[in-house]
Amino acid sequence: AQRVTQPEKLLSVFKGAPVELKCNYSYSGSPELFWYVQYSRQRLQLLLRHISRESIKGFTADLNKGETSFHLKKPFAQEEDSAMYYCALEGGTGFQKLVFGTGTRLLVSP
Amino acid sequence: NAGVTQTPKFQVLKTGQSMTLQCAQDMNHEYMSWYRQDPGMGLRLIHYSVGAGITDQGEVPNGYNVSRSTTEDFPLRLLSAAPSQTSVYFCASSANGLKNTEAFFGQGTRLTVV
Repeated sequence: AQRVTQPEKLLSVFKGAPVELKCNYSYSGSPELFWYVQYSRQRLQLLLRHISRESIKGFTADLNKGETSFHLKKPFAQEEDSAMYYCALEGGTGFQKLVFGTGTRLLVSP
Repeated sequence: NAGVTQTPKFQVLKTGQSMTLQCAQDMNHEYMSWYRQDPGMGLRLIHYSVGAGITDQGEVPNGYNVSRSTTEDFPLRLLSAAPSQTSVYFCASSANGLKNTEAFFGQGTRLTVV
C-alpha cells in the first residue's frame, strides 16, 4: 500500500532559523515525490518535485530511498514561508494518482 | 488566468439531498481529478478523467458519480448525500496526467451534510 506520513502537525520556528519538514513514505517501487504548499487564502500549488532536483524559494528536498524519506529543508526561514505543506507520492504506472500526507503547518514568527 | 474554478465554495446539504459540485479549467488540460480532504487525513482521490468521455475510480469513489462531456468541465455528483460526505473537495487538472506533471488545484468546496 502507498502511504505518506508527515509526523508533525505544526512546526513553529523563528525567522532566520533552519526548517525541516519531515516526510516519510511507504511504497515498494520507485516513487515520484512532491511537495505542495497552501498559503493562507490561496489554493494548493506545487512547490517542488524530486525529479527536478530544484530549489524553490530556498527550499530543497532530497529523496532518501534507504530511509524512505523526502524531507523539505530551508536554511533560513522567512515569515512568508508560513503555510500548510503537503508531501505527496505518485506511485505505480499509468496516470497521476497522488497520495498525500496529512500536512504540516509551518509558522514562522518574527 | 482563471486556472481551475470550483463552485460553490460552501454548501450545506440535508441527508438524502443531491447536488453537483462544479469544476472547470481553462488550460486545455486532458487530465482532471477530484479529491476529498477530511480532518486528520491527507487528500484522497475520488475519481479521475484522462479525457473527454473517459473516467475512472480513485481510492474513495463510493457515493459519487462523475462524467466528462467536455475537456473543460468535470462535475462531481452526490446522488444522496450522507453525513460521511462532509468534507472539503478539491478539483485538480494537469496537462496530460502522466507521472511527474504538475497538478493545478481549485480553491476547494467545503461541503457539510446535516
